[in-house]
Amino acid sequence: AQKVTQAQTEISVVEKEDVTLDCVYETRDTTYYLFWYKQPPSGELVFLIRRNSFDEQNEISGRYSWNFQKSTSSFNFTITASQVVDSAVYFCALSAAGGYSTLTFGKGTMLLVSP
Amino acid sequence: NAGVTQTPKFRVLKTGQSMTLLCAQDMNHEYMYWYRQDPGMGLRLIHYSVGEGTTAKGEVPDGYNVSRLKKQNFLLGLESAAPSQTSVYFCASSQWAGPNMREQYFGPGTRLTVT
Repeated sequence: AQKVTQAQTEISVVEKEDVTLDCVYETRDTTYYLFWYKQPPSGELVFLIRRNSFDEQNEISGRYSWNFQKSTSSFNFTITASQVVDSAVYFCALSAAGGYSTLTFGKGTMLLVSP
Repeated sequence: NAGVTQTPKFRVLKTGQSMTLLCAQDMNHEYMYWYRQDPGMGLRLIHYSVGEGTTAKGEVPDGYNVSRLKKQNFLLGLESAAPSQTSVYFCASSQWAGPNMREQYFGPGTRLTVT
């Protein structure tokens, strides 16, 4: 069975602070995919990143960066110089490479960035 | 390109009533999914479909039925609504699964309240 744990239920920061959202996963599959989605207050789900299990390179996209560590089964997400518009619920999700790509989601971390 | 659309956006039902939620995608995706989102629970998979005419159960299928008569549509039915089915329902679709999987594209959600 697959499992995704986002231990941080809610994080509050002040604008311009850096913040890291943790994601720990469990899977028996040797090949899998990890995702991050953002859900702003408007409610839609916005795709942020997909990562293959065999590619452990960290990725940076603007103020966003992701640290994938297979040894600790973690896929953490860092926002540098946070902004009010980053306020949202962030979900980490996992899918096996085989099968029909159903996603297992974590429970989400609510990030509140205040001015 | 509308992407993934859901009808209706909001609905209030009385216990025991039935209804159907419609999901439509115009991206010619093979795979479609229905999730429910409850506070503090993340998103949980209800049913999914890997192609026209096929459906399969997800993590929380009880009380729901689905049909995929056309490739672009995926219907979620509640035969006898219960208050425990009060939730936000998201439909998603994706083109590839397995080793070539890409992200799932989500609809805007349907907020259902059962009184």
